[in-house]
Amino acid sequence: DTAVSQTPKYLVTQMGNDKSIKCEQNLGHDTMYWYKQDSKKFLKIMFSYNNKELIINETVPNRFSPKSPDKAHLNLHINSLELGDSAVYFCASSQDRAGSLNIQYFGAGTRLSVL
Amino acid sequence: LAKTTQPISMDSYEGQEVNITCSHNNIATNDYITWYQQFPSQGPRFIIQGYKTKVTNEVASLFIPADRKSSTLSLPRVSLSDTAVYYCLVGDGYSSASKIIFGSGTRLSIRP
Repeated sequence: DTAVSQTPKYLVTQMGNDKSIKCEQNLGHDTMYWYKQDSKKFLKIMFSYNNKELIINETVPNRFSPKSPDKAHLNLHINSLELGDSAVYFCASSQDRAGSLNIQYFGAGTRLSVL
Repeated sequence: LAKTTQPISMDSYEGQEVNITCSHNNIATNDYITWYQQFPSQGPRFIIQGYKTKVTNEVASLFIPADRKSSTLSLPRVSLSDTAVYYCLVGDGYSSASKIIFGSGTRLSIRP
C-alpha cells in the first residue's frame, strides 16, 4: 500500500487551462502539505492543512487553491495555468505539525508541464 | 526564520564516511533538525531527526553541537545507492508563523 499517493503522475496541458492534482494519505496523519519543486530542485512549501484547517499559506498566486475534504485528502486546483507553473508538485503528510511529530512522508510527485 | 545553508555538492567513494554539514544560525528554541534524502523522480524520504547532541539510527548519525547553530549528517560506509540529494530542514511546524524551509540541498555523488 502506498502511504501518500498522488494522481496523476504526469500532467501535460496547455496554457490557460484549469487542472487538479489529487493527494491521499492512508497513514492516519492530521497534517498534509503541498510543495513545488522547480527545475533547480528548490523545494518550496505552498500550503499546509491540519485537520482540514489551512495553517500555512505561502505567497502563492491565488490561481492555486487547495481543498481538503477530509484529513486524508488534500487536492490542489490550479486555474489559468502559466508556463511558469511547470514543475514537480509533491504532496506530503505528517502525524501532527508540532515538534518531533512533523516528520513528513512524501508522495512520488506530479510532473506538470505547461505548453 | 531558520534559514539553512548546505554545500551544493559533494563527491566521495564507496566505503567512505561522508559528513554533510548544515548551518542554521537562526534556529529557534522549539525547532527540530530533520534530514531528508531524495532520489531522482522520487519524493524526499526521511532519514533522521534530532534536537540536540547526537542521534543515531540504522542508516545515519546526526551530530548537533550545544549551540545548535549547525548540524552534521554522517553516512557511514557509503555505497553507490547513496547518490542522492540531501536536504536539511529546520522548524517546528507548530506556530502558524513558523516556516518550513528546505535548504537548497546537497547533491552527493558516490563513485566506485
